[in-house]
Amino acid sequence: EVQLIESGGRLVQPGGSLRLSCAASGFTFSSHWMHWVRQVPGKGLVWVSRINSDGRTTAYADSVKGRFTISRDNAKNMLSLQMNSLRAEDTAVYYCVRDGGHRGDYWGQGTLVTVSS
Amino acid sequence: DIVMTQSPDSLAVSLGERATINCKSRQSILYTSNNKSYLAWYQQKPRQPPKLLIYWASTRESGVPDRFSASGSGTDFTLTISSLQAEDVAVYYCQQYYTTPLTFGGGTRLEIK
Repeated sequence: EVQLIESGGRLVQPGGSLRLSCAASGFTFSSHWMHWVRQVPGKGLVWVSRINSDGRTTAYADSVKGRFTISRDNAKNMLSLQMNSLRAEDTAVYYCVRDGGHRGDYWGQGTLVTVSS
Repeated sequence: DIVMTQSPDSLAVSLGERATINCKSRQSILYTSNNKSYLAWYQQKPRQPPKLLIYWASTRESGVPDRFSASGSGTDFTLTISSLQAEDVAVYYCQQYYTTPLTFGGGTRLEIK
């Protein structure tokens, strides 16, 4: 069974940093591209970042470029999102998403990041 | 960025009736090399993550009931639920996978009339 379990979300002050993690299991992690997608509670879905299967190629939404860094450890089946210079508008539930070949075929339950003083 | 526009924003349909949701991309998301439109549909129920329903614009994901179907190519796409069931109450999103930044439609909230 495919499982994606996010962790690391919490309350953080504006300007602070946070690292989100996603533990993957039930599939060959190293074979799949992975994404982070976020959602302000009650609002729509917004793509944040993507990483290819070997971790060498990444892409970011303009809103997070230069502040967020996506990475992966294929030996540990772990996806990460380092979030720096956090802003109030980064407040959202962050989902870890497996790319099944140009589609998000499995989603984690999400982890809530709240940026507030 | 490729803007994805869904309509309507919300929809109320009687049980057993047909529900239709539209999604339009500002530019074509059809790869002519493989004749596939890089469009996915998701269903999100309250307090749950999104669930993949459809990919390549019209291919149903494994395990998705066959009352869900989708069509379209290029810039105009449609998701249809042929006979609405109570468990279909959700928000539905389209997403283009053609190029980064990947973009979603604003969502369509489907309710029972």
